[in-house]
Amino acid sequence: NAGVMQNPRHLVRRRGQEARLRCSPMKGHSHVYWYRQLPEEGLKFMVYLQKENIIDESGMPKERFSAEFPKEGPSILRIQQVVRGDSAAYFCASSHSTSGGPTDTQYFGPGTRLTVL
Amino acid sequence: AQTVTQSQPEMSVQEAETVTLSCTYDTSESDYYLFWYKQPPSRQMILVIRQEAYKQQNATENRFSVNFQKAAKSFSLKISDSQLGDAAMYFCAYRRRGSNYKLTFGKGTLLTVNP
Repeated sequence: NAGVMQNPRHLVRRRGQEARLRCSPMKGHSHVYWYRQLPEEGLKFMVYLQKENIIDESGMPKERFSAEFPKEGPSILRIQQVVRGDSAAYFCASSHSTSGGPTDTQYFGPGTRLTVL
Repeated sequence: AQTVTQSQPEMSVQEAETVTLSCTYDTSESDYYLFWYKQPPSRQMILVIRQEAYKQQNATENRFSVNFQKAAKSFSLKISDSQLGDAAMYFCAYRRRGSNYKLTFGKGTLLTVNP
């Protein structure tokens, strides 16, 4: 029973390049969340998606960042024209529902560590 | 806005001993969830324990238990019979019940287990 999968685990980009981070939720989960962890900090919510829909992107920077969760395939977090301040660990989580019961627990992937040179 | 505070940046414990990690939170909501997540050096976020605010009984998972004091807005994690594999960063997190799904995390407590 595979957990949440993220790839790549490590990504190095030069300033101005694009970064694409992928997340495959746990089997049976249709809710995906992205969080960012800066050094010495806790995780900060970025965006919440269901299949083909962005439900809440209030934590995502207005420019250069976008996210999608297509009908088929993984969720993608895309960062255009990366800057050094984008260097962080990006975590994806998934849940079966948001109903308020045990099935709404968020399970996390191993994260992608982005380094911008 | 909800906030979560972990006042202990670092803690240490001897193997086989008991340690308690502190967490306080601020919310105006009456119904919510609280979590403890563990982040070992691999950086994987692992759910340790979950508590529903409407339940008075403290959650327990094997060697891990919580002391949930709703009036004081306190949610501490007790680790009994500490093992070397318990060494990790521990994050306390809050989530409002219902449609608000965002987890709000504290800054974490780094736990060292000494042999």
